[in-house]
Amino acid sequence: NAGVTQTPKFQVLKTGQSMTLQCAQDMNHNSMYWYRQDPGMGLRLIYYSASEGTTDKGEVPNGYNVSRLNKREFSLRLESAAPSQTSVYFCASSGGRDVTQYFGPGTRLLVL
Amino acid sequence: GIQVEQSPPDLILQEGANSTLRCNFSDSVNNLQWFHQNPWGQLINLFYIPSGTKQNGRLSATTVATERYSLLYISSSQTTDSGVYFCALRAGGSEKLVFGKGTKLTVNP
Repeated sequence: NAGVTQTPKFQVLKTGQSMTLQCAQDMNHNSMYWYRQDPGMGLRLIYYSASEGTTDKGEVPNGYNVSRLNKREFSLRLESAAPSQTSVYFCASSGGRDVTQYFGPGTRLLVL
Repeated sequence: GIQVEQSPPDLILQEGANSTLRCNFSDSVNNLQWFHQNPWGQLINLFYIPSGTKQNGRLSATTVATERYSLLYISSSQTTDSGVYFCALRAGGSEKLVFGKGTKLTVNP
C-alpha cells in the first residue's frame, strides 16, 4: 500500500515549456486534490476532483489544467510554464468515511 | 471565504518543554485537521478534529467549534517534533480545504 505517489520528484523547466505532474493513489479514494506551497505560505488549492470524471477550480487555478484519468490518477498540466509557477506541488486524496486528506511526497518545480 | 489564522508563527523550544499552538477560524466548520510538515517536506496528518478533544501519545488537540478555535498541545517536546504545523479546515459543504500559514516549531537538544 503505497498511499499517494507523485512523479517526478524534481523538475527544472524553461519559461514557456510544458509538463505534466502525475499523481496516483491506491486507497480507493473518491476525492483528489492538487496544491502548491510557496515559501512562508500554507498550501493553496489549485484544482480538485470530487469523483472520477469531475474537476473543479480551487483558489489558484490560472495557468493549470487537470485530468482525472480514472479513480486512481489525477494529473496536473502546465501548458506554458512561468517563473511564478516555481513551487512545491502536493497531491492529496481523501474518501469514504475517512475525510482526512493524505498527501504525496511533493514535486519541486523550478521554472527559469 | 473562510479565514484561518495560526499563532505563533514561530516557536523555539528546548527539548522536554511543552507548547500550545493555536488556530482561529472565521466561520463554522465541519472538518478541521492538523498536519505536521517535517523538515524534509513530508506532510503527515495528525488529527481530524472538527470538535472535542483527541490524544495521540504526546500530542493532543482540542477544537471548540462554537468559539471558532482549535489548539494543538505538544508535551515533552523532542527534536523530531521540529517542522511546521498546519491547521486546515473545510466550511459548509465545500470540498475545499483551506490551510493556515502554519507555526514553525524548532526544538533544540
